[in-house]
Amino acid sequence: DAGITQSPRYKITETGRQVTLMCHQTWSHSYMFWYRQDLGHGLRLIYYSAAADITDKGEVPDGYVVSRSKTENFPLTLESATRSQTSVYFCASSEYSSGANVLTFGAGSRLTVL
Amino acid sequence: AQKVTQAQTEISVVEKEDVTLDCVYETRDTTYYLFWYKQPPSGELVFLIRRNSFDEQNEISGRYSWNFQKSTSSFNFTITASQVVDSAVYFCALSGLNTNAGKSTFGDGTTLTVKP
Repeated sequence: DAGITQSPRYKITETGRQVTLMCHQTWSHSYMFWYRQDLGHGLRLIYYSAAADITDKGEVPDGYVVSRSKTENFPLTLESATRSQTSVYFCASSEYSSGANVLTFGAGSRLTVL
Repeated sequence: AQKVTQAQTEISVVEKEDVTLDCVYETRDTTYYLFWYKQPPSGELVFLIRRNSFDEQNEISGRYSWNFQKSTSSFNFTITASQVVDSAVYFCALSGLNTNAGKSTFGDGTTLTVKP
């Protein structure tokens, strides 16, 4: 299916565990992004990638690691999960970097850290 | 620095009422883009509209209309004859022409509840 696929959709983990959220897109969009959504904070950018092997920090990168070995995949890893990382995570992509571009989002991954 | 303010955290209306969601923005860019995204209870984020800073024409799409006023730095969204299916969180976003699209500034969202 075309689009952006996130997995898992729901995840419960414990403090200190490593968690990886997967994101796969089928459009060959150059740009991919990870956001977190928390009540009262809208969407906040964690990391983004302009192409394979090119990543950069967003607004709230601490505690997260990303990689992009292939254009279509952009996994987000929480190396040692904390309760403050309980959130809904959205992956998004855009074809170009221009501010005119519309973001296309995945369905989201709801992460609960106990 | 860019900023988007959606002062209305929650709005509740009864079906068939008209409702306006406010969005006020700040930017130093002369060319910029404004967006509205919808997040229904199912959770996905769906693009609704994009406006560039040179086009102040209001836009209407069915029951949805958008009023862009540069003079007041506002990009308000009106739903006419609201329906229960309009219940969602609505986000306004701003991006400069040379700003990476993914680094758009989002407002905190307005939760709209339409009661039958």
